[in-house]
Amino acid sequence: AQSVTQLGSHVSVSEGALVLLRCNYSSSVPPYLFWYVQYPNQGLQLLLKYTSAATLVKGINGFEAEFKKSETSFHLTKPSAHMSDAAEYFCAVSGGSSASKIIFGSGTRLSIRP
Amino acid sequence: DTAVSQTPKYLVTQMGNDKSIKCEQNLGHDTMYWYKQDSKKFLKIMFSYNNKELIINETVPNRFSPKSPDKAHLNLHINSLELGDSAVYFCASSQSLAASYNEQFFGPGTRLTVL
Repeated sequence: AQSVTQLGSHVSVSEGALVLLRCNYSSSVPPYLFWYVQYPNQGLQLLLKYTSAATLVKGINGFEAEFKKSETSFHLTKPSAHMSDAAEYFCAVSGGSSASKIIFGSGTRLSIRP
Repeated sequence: DTAVSQTPKYLVTQMGNDKSIKCEQNLGHDTMYWYKQDSKKFLKIMFSYNNKELIINETVPNRFSPKSPDKAHLNLHINSLELGDSAVYFCASSQSLAASYNEQFFGPGTRLTVL
């Protein structure tokens, strides 16, 4: 069975500050890991994904995430927050059987203070 | 061009009614999904179809019936709507079911309100 845990349902940072959104996964097989972003009243869109090629993954809008197997973590970071980054962020995991499905975390709402 | 589209965007209806939500993808993907997102933003998979064949059915009540006339379309029909069905329903698609290719593309969502 696979699962993801997102630590912190709400994170608030100042504009220009570091963004760190935490995600820990559980998987009995090598995982594929994703971060999705959901802006208000929109569907989810992919920020970045880890597919075992490189442990540091760069995504859109200046976000990146590092896969750490020893810590079973896939935290999302951005060096300098922008007001437009305010959204809901979902970590997700898949892998294993041929009928894989993506398991989503409970989401973290990111707020940006001016 | 919209990759994954859903209609309608908003749906307000009375308890006991039957309603449908349509989804279309123009990405040429083999796999399509329906998700339910509750008021706390929790996203739960309901169904998955691969080449028009039902693959995943996540203990969803029988009142929910997906239909896939072709691999570009996956519609969701809901009978005897209940208050608890109020949520945002998202359609999504992926290239295939294989884990290395199941990055998912989401539609804009349908906000269903049952009165």
